[in-house]
Amino acid sequence: EVQLVQSGAEVKKPGESLKISCKGSGYSFTTYWIGWVRQMPGKGLEWMGIIYPYDSDTRYSPSFQGQVTISVDKSISAAYLQWSSLKASDTAMYYCARPSAGGFSKPLAYWGQGTLVTVSS
Amino acid sequence: EIVLTQSPGTLSLSPGERATLSCRASQSVSSSYLAWYQQKPGQAPRLLIYDASSRATGIPDRFSGSGSGTDFTLTITRLEPEDFAVYYCQQYGTSPLFTFGPGTKVDIK
Repeated sequence: EVQLVQSGAEVKKPGESLKISCKGSGYSFTTYWIGWVRQMPGKGLEWMGIIYPYDSDTRYSPSFQGQVTISVDKSISAAYLQWSSLKASDTAMYYCARPSAGGFSKPLAYWGQGTLVTVSS
Repeated sequence: EIVLTQSPGTLSLSPGERATLSCRASQSVSSSYLAWYQQKPGQAPRLLIYDASSRATGIPDRFSGSGSGTDFTLTITRLEPEDFAVYYCQQYGTSPLFTFGPGTKVDIK
């Protein structure tokens, strides 16, 4: 069974750094892209970017390029979303998600449970 | 950048009624790479339809998708109580921005 398990909720102050994780299991982790999606409170879904664990090929939405860093650790089947300096506007639920099949242009069939990030002074 | 517009913003219907949701793209969606997702409060989105008209695994046949080019439709033939939720369309044909629409909320009339 494919599972994506995300790290727990975080409460941070503006200016702090943060790295949240998404661990995949039940499939060959390196051969499927993993994407990240933001959902701000009461709002819709926003595509952030995607990474291919095999070679760390990463594509960012222009809206998030330079604002976050997506990475992987193949040895533990984990993908990461990282901020170097959080802002209050980063407060949101963040989901990792995996396409239904191998390849880049695929729908997101498997989702993590979400990680709530709250940034407040 | 492809922009997706969904209508209506909210659809108020009764159980047993038919729901028709629209998703319009600002330019043609490559290879009909359009998906529909359902999201209930406090839950992650769930894939319903992909490639515009194919049902994902385990999705009941009361859900159907249609369309091509710039106009797409999600139809729920007879609403069940568990179908009241927010529905998003997403295009995944134009890298690197796999945009989502703003969503349509289907609520109980």
